[in-house]
Amino acid sequence: NAGVTQTPKFQVLKTGQSMTLQCAQDMNHEYMSWYRQDPGMGLRLIHYSVGAGITDQGEVPNGYNVSRSTTEDFPLRLLSAAPSQTSVYFCASLQKGTTYGYTFGSGTRLTVV
Amino acid sequence: ELKVEQNPLFLSMQEGKNYTIYCNYSTTSDRLYWYRQDPGKSLESLFVLLSNGAVKQEGRLMASLDTKARLSTLHITAAVHDLSATYFCAVDDFTSGSRLTFGEGTQLTVNP
Repeated sequence: NAGVTQTPKFQVLKTGQSMTLQCAQDMNHEYMSWYRQDPGMGLRLIHYSVGAGITDQGEVPNGYNVSRSTTEDFPLRLLSAAPSQTSVYFCASLQKGTTYGYTFGSGTRLTVV
Repeated sequence: ELKVEQNPLFLSMQEGKNYTIYCNYSTTSDRLYWYRQDPGKSLESLFVLLSNGAVKQEGRLMASLDTKARLSTLHITAAVHDLSATYFCAVDDFTSGSRLTFGEGTQLTVNP
């Protein structure tokens, strides 16, 4: 099992560019979510999904889109990058009903210039 | 809106000493997590606490949950340098799927 795989690990964007952060898990987890981590602010939820075809907004959804066409994949799209979106992005997944914790990906460090 | 507060935010301690990190949250919740993060790394799951009075221990770390007080603690016993990291608590809101709300994190430095 690879767990939760995020790509790319690092990315530099110019203001106004768009891109997609990829997240894939091979554990057949129903729940998947995206977080951003900024210094001194912990992690904040961007979007989440409880299953294929179902997504919802988290605490900081503006400027981001998601879709969940399969159980395995949960890409995060930046529509028009802004410097305020410079952050580290983590994808996480969870098996519904489990007593285990979320599994986090290794993260994507994004810089918008 | 669920709020999670940790204290202290910064903790510098000597090897061999004991200390406790506190995690308060604002509303009832199904479960509470503790994670460890090393610089530049992802989050590593330490504990999942599922019910009032739950206590879990792993090595020098022990976590507990008091749902009535909306308080969880992470106790460090006889700290060693390898425990230096940032520790996060996170509370899960299952009312609409599964949504984690994180505390700000406690940056722990254990000095020789």
